[in-house]
Amino acid sequence: SQQGEEDPQALSIQEGENATMNCSYKTSINNLQWYRQNSGRGLVHLILIRSNEREKHSGRLRVTLDTSKKSSSLLITASRAADTASYFCATALNSGYSTLTFGKGTMLLVSP
Amino acid sequence: DTAVSQTPKYLVTQMGNDKSIKCEQNLGHDTMYWYKQDSKKFLKIMFSYNNKELIINETVPNRFSPKSPDKAHLNLHINSLELGDSAVYFCASSQNPSGTAYNEQFFGPGTRLTVL
Repeated sequence: SQQGEEDPQALSIQEGENATMNCSYKTSINNLQWYRQNSGRGLVHLILIRSNEREKHSGRLRVTLDTSKKSSSLLITASRAADTASYFCATALNSGYSTLTFGKGTMLLVSP
Repeated sequence: DTAVSQTPKYLVTQMGNDKSIKCEQNLGHDTMYWYKQDSKKFLKIMFSYNNKELIINETVPNRFSPKSPDKAHLNLHINSLELGDSAVYFCASSQNPSGTAYNEQFFGPGTRLTVL
C-alpha cells in the first residue's frame, strides 16, 4: 500500500507567510525525503532526514520527523512566489530491496 | 551540464506502436530508476537498476522492457502502446548500496508520452 500521504493536498498563501506541509507513512523507514516539482519539470531533492534524526534545516526549509507518530513536516519560512510548486515526501524502507515510495504531493501556491 | 538527461521530452504516438525513451546520467551513480507519473501526479517506481543489473521490477507489464547498456544509461522500450500508458516518465539516478534507497535521487526532466 502507498507509504506516504501528504496533507494538505493544496495550500495557497501570500508571499512572506510560512507554509507547512505534513506527511504520514505506515511502516518503519530508513529515511524520509522531500522533493519539489515545478510545473512541467522533474523532481528536485530538498532534504533527506534519517530515522534517527528529529529535525533538519536547509536555508528556509525545516523538516521534522516523528517516528513514533510516523509523520514528518516540511516548513518553508518567508515564502516567495518562486516556491510555488508541488512538494512530495518519499520514504525508504529499512530492510530488503527498497526504492522510494512517494506520496501524492501538496500543491503550494504562493501569491505575490 | 545536465546531470540526468532524457530524450525525447515529448512523445506523441498511436496505439499499438513501439517507442523508446533514453536516459543518461553523468553523475557516476551506480543505480538508475524509471518512474511513471500519472495525470494526478502520483509518482510510482517502475524499475531499479544497479550496475546494469535489474534489481526491482514493480509489477510492470512485460510490454515495458528496460535496457542498461552501461552504468550511465538506462533506456525504456515500450511495445504495443496502450492509451493507459499516457503519462510522464522520469528517469532518476542515485549512489545507493544495491537495492536500497538510502540516499537522494536525481531526476531527469521527464518525457511526456501521449498515446492516441
